[in-house]
Amino acid sequence: SYELTQPLSLSVALGQTARITCGGHNIGSKNVNWYQLRPGQAPALVIYRDSNRPSGIPERFSGSNSGNTATLTISRAQAGDEAEYYCQMWDSDTGVFGTGTKVTVL
Amino acid sequence: QVQLQESGPGLVKPLQTLSLTCTVSGGSINSGSNYWSWIRQPAGKGLEWIGRIHKSGTTNYNPSLKNRVTISVDTSKNQFSLNLTSVTAADTAVYYCARVTLLGDWFFDFWGRGTLVTVSS
Repeated sequence: SYELTQPLSLSVALGQTARITCGGHNIGSKNVNWYQLRPGQAPALVIYRDSNRPSGIPERFSGSNSGNTATLTISRAQAGDEAEYYCQMWDSDTGVFGTGTKVTVL
Repeated sequence: QVQLQESGPGLVKPLQTLSLTCTVSGGSINSGSNYWSWIRQPAGKGLEWIGRIHKSGTTNYNPSLKNRVTISVDTSKNQFSLNLTSVTAADTAVYYCARVTLLGDWFFDFWGRGTLVTVSS
């Protein structure tokens, strides 16, 4: 089965840039989506198909995907960005999530 | 704005069947080409995709759970459901339902807030 690997945690200073990686074999040939999980809230889609932002998601969130790594970038980090982030793709008709990254804003 | 709400027992005994329902509002399960999905997150662990269903009844399941999972849809009630048989403590998790949308590829664009299910005697 396909595996997606993310760093367990990441810290970013307020106003700085956080880059969350998602590693997988030849992931650049797949479409990757990213989700934000905050306690007590419904999970939110922040990036779909590698680099597309849904309506309502700030431009500070961007995505890229090439080779064996997909990346979610959060620019000008805010306190409200503190959350878990998961990458996700489809392996045929099976949904696969990354291992998840806890982002702390200092 | 589509909204999803999970409902069902918060406590299930070991070896029994876990049953949850997801009620969709603000949109029809019968419209479009969407799939409807279940996802779970055990405490302190990551997200795990359980499966998805189309309004036609077509399903896809996580191979690791396939033998125990059934997802069904009731378009008249705008609901879809999850049954997971022979549960153990490892099935204790927050269970989410979500809409799966196709725009070039599939992604989960609307989610419920999740419901905690504990497996314990």
